[in-house]
Amino acid sequence: DQQVKQNSPSLSVQEGRISILNCDYTNSMFDYFLWYKKYPAEGPTFLISISSIKDKNEDGRFTVFLNKSAKHLSLHIVPSQPGDSAVYFCAASETYGGATNKLIFGTGTLLAVQP
Amino acid sequence: EPEVTQTPSHQVTQMGQEVILRCVPISNHLYFYWYRQILGQKVEFLVSFYNNEISEKSEIFDDQFSVERPDGSNFTLKIRSTKLEDSAMYFCASPPPGGANVLTFGAGSRLTVL
Repeated sequence: DQQVKQNSPSLSVQEGRISILNCDYTNSMFDYFLWYKKYPAEGPTFLISISSIKDKNEDGRFTVFLNKSAKHLSLHIVPSQPGDSAVYFCAASETYGGATNKLIFGTGTLLAVQP
Repeated sequence: EPEVTQTPSHQVTQMGQEVILRCVPISNHLYFYWYRQILGQKVEFLVSFYNNEISEKSEIFDDQFSVERPDGSNFTLKIRSTKLEDSAMYFCASPPPGGANVLTFGAGSRLTVL
């Protein structure tokens, strides 16, 4: 049961252009969404997040968009840099009782930014 | 920035052997998580631990797995009798101060079962 899906296993973009990574989810109870970046042999590193009460959150070169009706979110990186090359995981959680709850991860998208 | 520290970074073991993976989570936090990633696959939730008890576990977390907080700071994941399919990266995670939904992950422990 894949509650969080990233349908593109890989993406290649030119340095300076926009990278758009997509993520779909099925569980309508998810109310918090995150993007993590992962290099080989390292743990996932938090990048940016968005609450379900918003449809956009921006942090420097990174912007996350949330479309609740479509159960879709995307991460935009602009301009893309070679150092952005990594695997990007979308994750979602359902908040209840004000507690920290488990993250459900997608399968990841390998981003390669070509110099 | 608060860190989650994991040891060992890599362990090779024979099938059927017991393995203990260790984590020092962010201090003063009550929530801890273990995740794993089989090579090339997604990061999967194993178990969450709150206030010295398991709060939730996945189907993966069967009787071969256990978690403990033996001394109030370290947090361990034990696999009693390893199988080939247990080969994976195991990540410990905990939320940073004030961050309810954002988990900070350790660098992981790579387990190779032969």
